[in-house]
Amino acid sequence: QVQLVQSGAEVKKPGASVKVSCKASEYTFTGHYMHWVRQAPGQGLEWMGWINPNSGGTNYAQKFQGRVTMTRDTSITTAYMELSSLRSDDTAVYYCARGGYYADQWGQGTLVTVSS
Amino acid sequence: EIVLTQSPGTLSLSPGERATLSCRASQSVNSGCLAWYQQKPGQAPRLLIYGASSRATGIPDRFSGSGSGTDFTLTISRLEPEDFAVYYCQQYGSSPITFGQGTRLEIK
Repeated sequence: QVQLVQSGAEVKKPGASVKVSCKASEYTFTGHYMHWVRQAPGQGLEWMGWINPNSGGTNYAQKFQGRVTMTRDTSITTAYMELSSLRSDDTAVYYCARGGYYADQWGQGTLVTVSS
Repeated sequence: EIVLTQSPGTLSLSPGERATLSCRASQSVNSGCLAWYQQKPGQAPRLLIYGASSRATGIPDRFSGSGSGTDFTLTISRLEPEDFAVYYCQQYGSSPITFGQGTRLEIK
């Protein structure tokens, strides 16, 4: 069955960057967009953007423009989300999620903690 | 951006009862591009409904979605113990994609 396996938890200092990976398997990686969604502790879901794994094209939420970079490596069917200039309010679980527009499969989530 | 407002914030019901969750958009959602997700503690969200009314693969038929324009509803016909969770609506008809703030469905 479709699997999205994300990298492990990270602890970062304010101002640093974090790069989260999402390994896809059991489907055609280039056939589906990959979204990134985050969830701060006790809060709701926040869409960050998507990447088209086929073309590499991206669409970022304006809130994250200039701080987020989504990339992919088709040879290893892995998508990446890098967030820079981290602040304490970036502490959240970050999810990758497969889908054209709605997300039909989700990764397990990666907790990113930003703390001095 | 389209703001989605879900109501109620918390819904307290008993197993076997019917649940009705609302999602209202600040402007019309293109072509019924609205989805519903269920999230349990410590888990990733799970897609329930897309296109306002189409059930995702493997979703029981006690879950149904309806609505158009700015008003959408998720109905759970007879609550099972495993249905108590947080539910989010999402619109994907306009960029940026946005989520509602969630409705917590708790056991009464």
